[in-house]
Amino acid sequence: AQTVTQSQPEMSVQEAETVTLSCTYDTSENNYYLFWYKQPPSRQMILVIRQEAYKQQNATENRFSVNFQKAAKSFSLKISDSQLGDTAMYFCAQETSGSRLTFGEGTQLTVNP
Amino acid sequence: NAGVTQTPKFRVLKTGQSMTLLCAQDMNHEYMYWYRQDPGMGLRLIHYSVGEGTTAKGEVPDGYNVSRLKKQNFLLGLESAAPSQTSVYFCATDLGGPYEQYFGPGTRLTVT
Repeated sequence: AQTVTQSQPEMSVQEAETVTLSCTYDTSENNYYLFWYKQPPSRQMILVIRQEAYKQQNATENRFSVNFQKAAKSFSLKISDSQLGDTAMYFCAQETSGSRLTFGEGTQLTVNP
Repeated sequence: NAGVTQTPKFRVLKTGQSMTLLCAQDMNHEYMYWYRQDPGMGLRLIHYSVGEGTTAKGEVPDGYNVSRLKKQNFLLGLESAAPSQTSVYFCATDLGGPYEQYFGPGTRLTVT
């Protein structure tokens, strides 16, 4: 069975600073996809970034980037120049066969002014 | 376009009562999913569907049933609600494959 682990239940960062959220996963597959989703207080789930396992290059979306370490099965999210609107619950997820997602427990990020 | 909608947004049930949650999408997606979200446990897949008329079990299917009679709708039923089913329920859709899933706004269900 696939497992995704986020070991940081809560984190905080000052506005404009950089923060990194950790995620590890376990899979026997060689080709797969990893995602970070954001859930602000509105409860709406929003895709932040996606990484394809066969691509060496780390994915980047504006202020959001990942550090993908395939051998270590690690997939961390870096948020640069943090903004108040980044305050949210962040979920790491892995795509399993049939396009189903396995989610981690979530990390509650608070950006302080 | 509304995207993915869920009805109702909130509901309180007594133990043993039944109810149906409706998910509707206007994105013409084949795949639809039902998740539940509980504190400290992330989202867990209850049931999913890969097309009209098909359903399959996810990680936590016990106590729930689903139907996909029309491509745009995916229903989640609780036949006899239990307090352990108190949760926030999310519906999601996608094209099938490693693509972005589009989520509904969620339904907060409390079973007393």
